[in-house]
Amino acid sequence: RKEVEQDPGPFNVPEGATVAFNCTYSNSASQSFFWYRQDCRKEPKLLMSVYSSGNEDGRFTAQLNRASQYISLLIRDSKLSDSATYLCVVNKDKYIFGTGTRLKVLA
Amino acid sequence: NAGVTQTPKFQVLKTGQSMTLQCAQDMNHEYMSWYRQDPGMGLRLIHYSVGAGITDQGEVPNGYNVSRSTTEDFPLRLLSAAPSQTSVYFCASSSTLGVQPQHFGDGTRLSIL
Repeated sequence: RKEVEQDPGPFNVPEGATVAFNCTYSNSASQSFFWYRQDCRKEPKLLMSVYSSGNEDGRFTAQLNRASQYISLLIRDSKLSDSATYLCVVNKDKYIFGTGTRLKVLA
Repeated sequence: NAGVTQTPKFQVLKTGQSMTLQCAQDMNHEYMSWYRQDPGMGLRLIHYSVGAGITDQGEVPNGYNVSRSTTEDFPLRLLSAAPSQTSVYFCASSSTLGVQPQHFGDGTRLSIL
């Protein structure tokens, strides 16, 4: 089993839609969690950290479920510019990436 | 703001050649790491370092060496290049392992013929 797993997608959604991604991890001792965005194989860029209590940044909401060992990312009111690959990252003593979920927002 | 700097940005090698990918950060970060990304796949950890003089293997370390003689630099060496090492390589750094997220360089696109 991979340490960090994501549905590769693609998720094709119309502008304005709400879309959610999940990411599961296998190491119950994992300590920190992040969501990154990657465009066309450029370098990944931090979207947001994920906190146990859940956190929100504008249209983006991240949540952590330690009991079920997954993190989620919710994007509300999707924009064309949100089209990208979303990578989850889990850390225990090193940072491990999921394979990413592709999102395409359609006009 | 320099951040994490990777050189070169592009490189073509012949099978069997060796080379070093350079990574430097000017943020005084303790943690540094190297990833490779192949088409349709996520980033796979090659090697990482939690501080000067300390390195450890990641998921796919075979065929690569690293060293960390200074806090700033973390070079990745390909000992004898193989076509399977054709990939995009990213270097990243973080101030505090596990607490702070990583900052990435622009990547090195490496082709091995």
